[in-house]
Amino acid sequence: DAKTTQPPSMDCAEGRAANLPCNHSTISGNEYVYWYRQIHSQGPQYIIHGLKNNETNEMASLIITEDRKSSTLILPHATLRDTAVYYCIVRPYSTGTASKLTFGTGTRLQVTL
Amino acid sequence: DVKVTQSSRYLVKRTGEKVFLECVQDMDHENMFWYRQDPGLGLRLIYFSYDVKMKEKGDIPEGYSVSREKKERFSLILESASTNQTSMYLCASSLDPGLSYEQYFGPGTRLTVT
Repeated sequence: DAKTTQPPSMDCAEGRAANLPCNHSTISGNEYVYWYRQIHSQGPQYIIHGLKNNETNEMASLIITEDRKSSTLILPHATLRDTAVYYCIVRPYSTGTASKLTFGTGTRLQVTL
Repeated sequence: DVKVTQSSRYLVKRTGEKVFLECVQDMDHENMFWYRQDPGLGLRLIYFSYDVKMKEKGDIPEGYSVSREKKERFSLILESASTNQTSMYLCASSLDPGLSYEQYFGPGTRLTVT
């Protein structure tokens, strides 16, 4: 699996957009980018995933660069409830045996008043 | 609503005890996983199962075993608990990987071995 690099921590003011970067310079053509987050004392929660096109859902937007070597997760209007550790993961989208996810150490996002 | 439940939120056991951690999902998912999470190390996969009675080792299976007798239930067993198994244990499930890699996680069990 491709390795990812994320900043260890970031701050964001409530109501502002939170932009969380992820570097995955060794990503290969069949690997997707996934984002999860983990709020304190809870299990991880799926946010969004994409291959090469930008994606948006009710939680966030995912912007993937044209060369696919990096991506940015955007929380458009961060709230205090978005304070969490955010994980960027790359993984092949293939059939076969179970879908193992390899989590790194993520980015700790602190949303402040 | 999607649900993965784990038998305990907090557990304290003594060294050498046999420990069972239970996980149940109500989504009819094929795949189930056990991870442990430790500060500075992120989540590490212990074992996973892609079908009833099927299991595969993850990255750190030593000292653990698993059981999947029914589709909805996946158990993690510590045959003889040791202090280095003190950790947060997370269970997850997902549909067949041909459809999605979205994994649904339980709330976790914080195990302390003394």
